[in-house]
Amino acid sequence: DIVMTQSPLSLPVTPGEPASISCRSNQSLLHDNGYNYLDWYLQKPGQSPQLLIYMVSNRASGVPDRFSGSGSGTDFTLKISRVEAEDVGVYYCMQGLQTLLTFGGGTKVEIK
Amino acid sequence: QVQLQQWGAGLLKPSETLSLTCGVYGGSFSNYYWTWIRQTPGKGLEWIGEINDSGSANYNPSLKSRVTLSVDTSKSQFSLKLRSVTAADTAVYYCARGGTFYGVVLKFLQHWGQGTLVIVSS
Repeated sequence: DIVMTQSPLSLPVTPGEPASISCRSNQSLLHDNGYNYLDWYLQKPGQSPQLLIYMVSNRASGVPDRFSGSGSGTDFTLKISRVEAEDVGVYYCMQGLQTLLTFGGGTKVEIK
Repeated sequence: QVQLQQWGAGLLKPSETLSLTCGVYGGSFSNYYWTWIRQTPGKGLEWIGEINDSGSANYNPSLKSRVTLSVDTSKSQFSLKLRSVTAADTAVYYCARGGTFYGVVLKFLQHWGQGTLVIVSS
């Protein structure tokens, strides 16, 4: 199984300031087709997870452009350019390269 | 607008069978991966398995001996059965649908059900 590791575990943020979450995998997520199979999800309090970013850097429908993703191989980053109050929740990365999908442990973003 | 709505029993006794169904509304049932995920405080998000509209399924090896996924394309529904449950199966269970990228069907989870809390207790 591919192990996904996120950091930090908890991220207190100030509204209007940037935030960054790291996700590392113990195997490369680069497919033979040249794409990395790494996605990001946000689980807001009391809700189901929702897709934010797929294939490293593609924003899902309706996701604000303050969210961006980058990375390749085993090292990936989710950035929020200016955090808003509605961005609080737990962020998860997930690899879709192998049949057995695996998730990171989550990063809890909260407002200072 | 695609919506997934799931239902099933939320309280089970040990050794019983967990049974959940997910209905798909507002979108095509064809050519996607239909997935079950569960979430616990201890293990986080865990992939249970996936099935396509042809009924071809893949399972998490850790659960494979107890899990069966099925589809009913006529009703745009897919289902999960987990046999011989124990307290360790207590979790919130989610159904989800995969997405497409440049026309290729992929496994990122574009749409999620509302989740069902299943408690296993004697």
